Amino acid sequence: DSGVTQTPKHLITATGQRVTLRCSPRSGDLSVYWYQQSLDQGLQFLIHYYNGEERAKGNILERFSAQQFPDLHSELNLSSLELGDSALYFCASSERSGSSADTQYFGPGTRLTVL
Amino acid sequence: LAKTTQPISMDSYEGQEVNITCSHNNIATNDYITWYQQFPSQGPRFIIQGYKTKVTNEVASLFIPADRKSSTLSLPRVSLSDTAVYYCLVNTGGFKTIFGAGTRLFVKA
Repeated sequence: DSGVTQTPKHLITATGQRVTLRCSPRSGDLSVYWYQQSLDQGLQFLIHYYNGEERAKGNILERFSAQQFPDLHSELNLSSLELGDSALYFCASSERSGSSADTQYFGPGTRLTVL
Repeated sequence: LAKTTQPISMDSYEGQEVNITCSHNNIATNDYITWYQQFPSQGPRFIIQGYKTKVTNEVASLFIPADRKSSTLSLPRVSLSDTAVYYCLVNTGGFKTIFGAGTRLFVKA
């Protein structure tokens, strides 16, 4: 158990809908990262927040947005969902602001299925 | 950002030592090297991290030569439960984190 929690574990929805995925980092960690992993694909970095501020953006679609709240939990919002958005979404956290020595600890993921 | 190259897959037998090498030719001075393990439908799990020479913990060793252009993850005496995908990651720090395709290790009885 990494100490990172994600809810919900599974999510099934329809095309065009909007969903929110939630992540609570490990106690004391200030950074939160979001990743997408499609079937048999690698991990695609989406976005990184540190202490409430966006630090880095990957190939995150405009239909997706995220934020990190004062209590350091984070939410990833996915809207106008398409079939291709079906994937595992992982959240990770690290202690610092993403320095090169930072280790990311991953949550169990949310499996999103868009029908 | 440093790109990593690893073998796509490897096979081994229970009880053997497995070495997975990752090349990262354009690693920067401040970059660290981190290895993760991932089982199907689970989040990646941190295995080991290093900067240079050798690092050892309870599950693995990481060997990094002086030029740091490659690194080798060594798993001693693997078991069936070590069957997983192993990712080598170069931490650039503060920027996008890029995972490569990883190495699928299959341990046979």
